[in-house]
Amino acid sequence: NAGVTQTPKFQVLKTGQSMTLQCAQDMNHNSMYWYRQDPGMGLRLIYYSASEGTTDKGEVPNGYNVSRLNKREFSLRLESAAPSQTSVYFCASSETGERGYTFGSGTRLTVV
Amino acid sequence: QKEVEQNSGPLSVPEGAIASLNCTYSDRGSQSFFWYRQYSGKSPELIMSIYSNGDKEDGRFTAQLNKASQYVSLLIRDSQPSDSATYLCAVADSGGYQKVTFGTGTKLQVIP
Repeated sequence: NAGVTQTPKFQVLKTGQSMTLQCAQDMNHNSMYWYRQDPGMGLRLIYYSASEGTTDKGEVPNGYNVSRLNKREFSLRLESAAPSQTSVYFCASSETGERGYTFGSGTRLTVV
Repeated sequence: QKEVEQNSGPLSVPEGAIASLNCTYSDRGSQSFFWYRQYSGKSPELIMSIYSNGDKEDGRFTAQLNKASQYVSLLIRDSQPSDSATYLCAVADSGGYQKVTFGTGTKLQVIP
């Protein structure tokens, strides 16, 4: 009963370093999403993938790239981390957006 | 920019009372609406979805939708201390791209 699995759970990066956040779902969902959550800002969409083989920008895509590796996996890459990217990152999946999301447990990222 | 507005709270209610959480949205064409509960340090969890005008009940929770007024609410009857959390209102975009816009959430405190 794994649902949506995110790794890592915590990460500290130095400015300019790169890293990839991993996300996998076992619910055979078509759509996957990456959000960031900051105090007072709510959840903001970074990128999403409506189906395997497609990706699209969300509200705050600058500084990020994504890969929909297959139907199960959707990764988020920070090429050159900046302190402004300090946040909690959530991956989510959905059969369709109209039916609500299942969220992963989140990655707490600090960039120093 | 599509908007979802919530009062940030905190909303304090005594144990056993009814908690009323409100949300307004800007996208008049939206058809799908959600309430998520998020405990501190945890990921959002879907608790209610509603698609038609009127009320939808699930246990102690009732979601209410008024599309003409662009208004969604969540009522929690017989509030328990375990209901203390942040409640996120979410609205699916009308553009058919399966994206959801989240409000910033209302923090609910149930006082024993």
